[in-house]
Amino acid sequence: ELKVEQNPLFLSMQEGKNYTIYCNYSTTSDRLYWYRQDPGKSLESLFVLLSNGAVKQEGRLMASLDTKARLSTLHITAAVHDLSATYFCAPCKAGSEKLVFGKGTKLTVNP
Amino acid sequence: EAQVTQNPRYLITVTGKKLTVTCSQNMNHEYMSWYRQDPGLGLRQIYYSMNVEVTDKGDVPEGYKVSRKEKRNFPLILESPSPNQTSLYFCASSTGEQTTEAFFGQGTRLTVV
Repeated sequence: ELKVEQNPLFLSMQEGKNYTIYCNYSTTSDRLYWYRQDPGKSLESLFVLLSNGAVKQEGRLMASLDTKARLSTLHITAAVHDLSATYFCAPCKAGSEKLVFGKGTKLTVNP
Repeated sequence: EAQVTQNPRYLITVTGKKLTVTCSQNMNHEYMSWYRQDPGLGLRQIYYSMNVEVTDKGDVPEGYKVSRKEKRNFPLILESPSPNQTSLYFCASSTGEQTTEAFFGQGTRLTVV
């Protein structure tokens, strides 16, 4: 059974600082997604990581995937208030379309 | 515009009164699924469908039904809602090909009293 552990669950950081969110998963996965969710809103797709060593960047966010370690990271560079949201990782169960979600990391960026 | 549309967005109902949450996608996607989101638990899959007339249980299917009579629609049915089904529900769709993203609907906030 694919299980996902995200750390930390809560993250409060100052503007301008860097930080990394970690996503560990327990079994082989075909690909991994990162989503952002604002309060009361739907999930916004940030990244799809398809292979070992994949790295994608969009603005102040960079995601990477190490399939051998079953680890993905979401790195935040020089955080700004607009990045405050909850971030979910979701590896896809191998051989299926099923996304298994972590519990999410609630990020608060303080001025 | 590619989208997944859920209705209603908000619903308050009473225990035992059957309800249906609709989900429609305009991308000709084969794979559709339903998730529920609860505080501290993340999103958990309720049911999924690989194609028309092909559905299967996810992780938390108890108390729910689905159908897939047409490719674009995947309604979620609560035959006899109970308070523990109060939650935020999301419908999602994808092509079934590994390179594509999964699209999520806007969400349906259901309260069962």
